[in-house]
Amino acid sequence: RKEVEQDPGPFNVPEGATVAFNCTYSNSASQSFFWYRQDCRKEPKLLMSVYSSGNEDGRFTAQLNRASQYISLLIRDSKLSDSATYLCVVNPLRGAGNNRKLIWGLGTSLAVNP
Amino acid sequence: NAGVTQTPKFQVLKTGQSMTLQCAQDMNHNSMYWYRQDPGMGLRLIYYSASEGTTDKGEVPNGYNVSRLNKREFSLRLESAAPSQTSVYFCASSDRQGVRAEAFFGQGTRLTVV
Repeated sequence: RKEVEQDPGPFNVPEGATVAFNCTYSNSASQSFFWYRQDCRKEPKLLMSVYSSGNEDGRFTAQLNRASQYISLLIRDSKLSDSATYLCVVNPLRGAGNNRKLIWGLGTSLAVNP
Repeated sequence: NAGVTQTPKFQVLKTGQSMTLQCAQDMNHNSMYWYRQDPGMGLRLIYYSASEGTTDKGEVPNGYNVSRLNKREFSLRLESAAPSQTSVYFCASSDRQGVRAEAFFGQGTRLTVV
């Protein structure tokens, strides 16, 4: 099993739709979780950190399920500008200097159509 | 605010040539990273620097060297380029080394080795 797995998609949805992505991770001791967004041929940018209780930022909601070892990203009322690749990132370590161990998923591609 | 600046944005090398990728950040971050991104492989860490004066190998360091010139700058050198080093290279930096530190990325360098 890969350390971080995502459905590559592509997910094709109409504007206004609700879409959800899941990401599974293999290390049950993983400490922190992120969703990054990457536009075509551009650099990744942080979309959301995923907290243990879940968190929401406007149309975006992230959830963590430690028992089943997955995180999810829900996008409501999809916009054309949401078209991108969404990268799941897991940090298995706690403590100082641990960002070197970030494990990146391959990404889920989303296309929002007019 | 420039954030993380990488140069060059594009480069074509012949096998055996050398080059240095430059990276600078103006956010006063302690940690800096070099990643490569290949289709089907995701982001893989080449080298990282937890602070000025220190560097450590990441997941795929072979064929690369780095220099943390000062707190702002972190360069990546290919001494003898090989076609397998054709990739998109990203420099990143982060501030807090705690669990939820966000990584900021440069715009990437698209390198082709022929």
